[in-house]
Amino acid sequence: DIQMTQSPSSLSASVGDRVTITCRASQSIDTYLNWYQQKPGKAPEVLIYAASILQRGVPARFTGSGSGTDFTLTISSVQLEDFVTFYCEQTYSFPHTFGQGTKLEIK
Amino acid sequence: QLQLQESGSGLVKPSQTLSLTCAVSGGSMNSGGHSWSWLRQPPGKGLEWIGYIYHSGSTYYNASLKSRVTVSADRSRNQFSLKLTSVTAADTAVYYCARVSSVPYYYTSENSAGGGYYYYLDVWGKGTTVTVSS
Repeated sequence: DIQMTQSPSSLSASVGDRVTITCRASQSIDTYLNWYQQKPGKAPEVLIYAASILQRGVPARFTGSGSGTDFTLTISSVQLEDFVTFYCEQTYSFPHTFGQGTKLEIK
Repeated sequence: QLQLQESGSGLVKPSQTLSLTCAVSGGSMNSGGHSWSWLRQPPGKGLEWIGYIYHSGSTYYNASLKSRVTVSADRSRNQFSLKLTSVTAADTAVYYCARVSSVPYYYTSENSAGGGYYYYLDVWGKGTTVTVSS
């Protein structure tokens, strides 16, 4: 199975900060990488698919980049509603696997 | 707007079978060529992919569960289901159903050409908690 490792596991930021979350795959996954956010007690929601394509309706402050084994999710200016948990997912091969999550907390 | 709703047994005894159904409303399972998926999230932990049922009817399962899991679809009733046999406490989790969307891509180079699909989960159910306990 392809292992996905996110860093950091938690991150403190203030409203308006620029934050970057990293996801590393244990082998090359081309750009088969999705990002989701999950609010407490809710189902995840897709933010970005194919490493860099913004899902319709997702604010433009979210950007994704990377290919191969290293990927990043950047929030250009963190808003109050962004203090949630983020997951990356690889869909290069079965089983599809997720990172362990990155919790964004208010500083 | 497409909506998914999980239902089924919330409390299952060890060694018994967990059965869940995902009802699709606001659209047809047969439109758009979508596939359908089950995932789960143990308490306080991350997400685990369980399996897919493709538009074609083919199924793919997480090998760690493969011998115990079955995903099926009843398209006439616009729903799909999950069965997990011989459950243990480790199967206690919030279970989600989700729609799989796909986006085609193509590439050409000097020596080759090809393409494929990017897959992502774009519509999720609210999730249902399943506890395995005697």
